[in-house]
Amino acid sequence: SQTIHQWPATLVQPVGSPLSLECTVEGTSNPNLYWYRQAAGRGLQLLFYSVGIGQISSEVPQNLSASRPQDRQFILSSKKLLLSDSGFYLCAWSVGSDTEAFFGQGTRLTVV
Amino acid sequence: GEDVEQSLFLSVREGDSSVINCTYTDSSSTYLYWYKQEPGAGLQLLTYIFSNMDMKQDQRLTVLLNKKDKHLSLRIADTQTGDSAIYFCAENGGGTSYGKLTFGQGTILTVHP
Repeated sequence: SQTIHQWPATLVQPVGSPLSLECTVEGTSNPNLYWYRQAAGRGLQLLFYSVGIGQISSEVPQNLSASRPQDRQFILSSKKLLLSDSGFYLCAWSVGSDTEAFFGQGTRLTVV
Repeated sequence: GEDVEQSLFLSVREGDSSVINCTYTDSSSTYLYWYKQEPGAGLQLLTYIFSNMDMKQDQRLTVLLNKKDKHLSLRIADTQTGDSAIYFCAENGGGTSYGKLTFGQGTILTVHP
């Protein structure tokens, strides 16, 4: 069966420090991968999605970047965190013609 | 851009039915989804409906879709305290990447004993 892993679960980082959040998917090949952010107020916003290795689409301008170095690995990064980067970051995956998207357990990032 | 709207709060008694409503603007949506989020956790897909359907039932869950009015609802029968969570409506905007979703703000469902 397919599973998705995100880590770390929680992270407290100072303003100006770098960030790297990792997401991996097991049990499937060539998934579409997504990073969402859930800020205070609870709505989810799509940040990045990827349909293949090295292919990244950005949905909103921001201080973050994403990379997909391997088929089932998706990384969210920042060179210098801002206070406004605080939030709950969720990775998700879907496959081909499947109609469903599945989410990881999320990483709660607090920038102080 | 496209928009999805939900009421923010719903409070019901245990054993009653809950109805969570959602409206959306993107008429090209092919699939509409309901996700559940428990405190501090990720999102769990509850159910989804194809846009050419008007109803889907799955155990205690009933989804109704009025495509003309772009209105989606989730009914939970015999609501239990374990159903207390945030419920998100989402649509895929007609794309083929089914995880590229536009979400509503979420409805906080509180179930009282």
